Amino acid sequence: EAEVAQSPRYKITEKSQAVAFWCDPISGHATLYWYRQILGQGPELLVQFQDESVVDDSQLPKDRFSAERLKGVDSTLKIQPAELGDSAMYLCASISRESGTLGTDTQYFGPGTRLTVL
Amino acid sequence: AQSVTQPDIHITVSEGASLELRCNYSYGATPYLFWYVQSPGQGLQLLLKYFSGDTLVQGIKGFEAEFKRSQSSFNLRKPSVHWSDAAEYFCAVGPNTGGFKTIFGAGTRLFVKA
Repeated sequence: EAEVAQSPRYKITEKSQAVAFWCDPISGHATLYWYRQILGQGPELLVQFQDESVVDDSQLPKDRFSAERLKGVDSTLKIQPAELGDSAMYLCASISRESGTLGTDTQYFGPGTRLTVL
Repeated sequence: AQSVTQPDIHITVSEGASLELRCNYSYGATPYLFWYVQSPGQGLQLLLKYFSGDTLVQGIKGFEAEFKRSQSSFNLRKPSVHWSDAAEYFCAVGPNTGGFKTIFGAGTRLFVKA
């Protein structure tokens, strides 16, 4: 069964350093999401891509976070500089299209990258 | 504003006992509703979803959920819990039109005791 791949699985960094996370969605999935999940909370959307275009980045802290999906396939999320409050799980998800109908899409999540900022 | 409330931060049930996890939502239109499960250190797996039709939805791993519009609820149930069901469960709501921005609840941690 196809899966969403993410790397690294764990990342420890010091504050003010730069970090980058990578996501490879399921083949053929045009829509890709990055979520941040703080311990004890549900995932919160950071950015949504449709192919290579950003659809929604309203919750992305743009002073330090950036995301790209240059060829509309895999994606990178970067934080520079990292802050203590960025410690969280970063989840990537992609969507299949069922019956060609929006709204019935199922999000498939990757295993996440656990970031710890010291 | 859209929101999802899971009133129980954690629940403990005995193995073999029945389970009900509560979820209440606030949404301006008919929502799409989801339940996800997350094992420690893992991503989320979809258990079931409701879009329309029969308000009792069957999912994987023996779970079911019932949509009650009058109560704005979408509670998750399982008749007999197994030790492997111990995990975090998230209820989520999404729009029934394009855009598909999903809002998650804070989650309920399920503990299963022998």
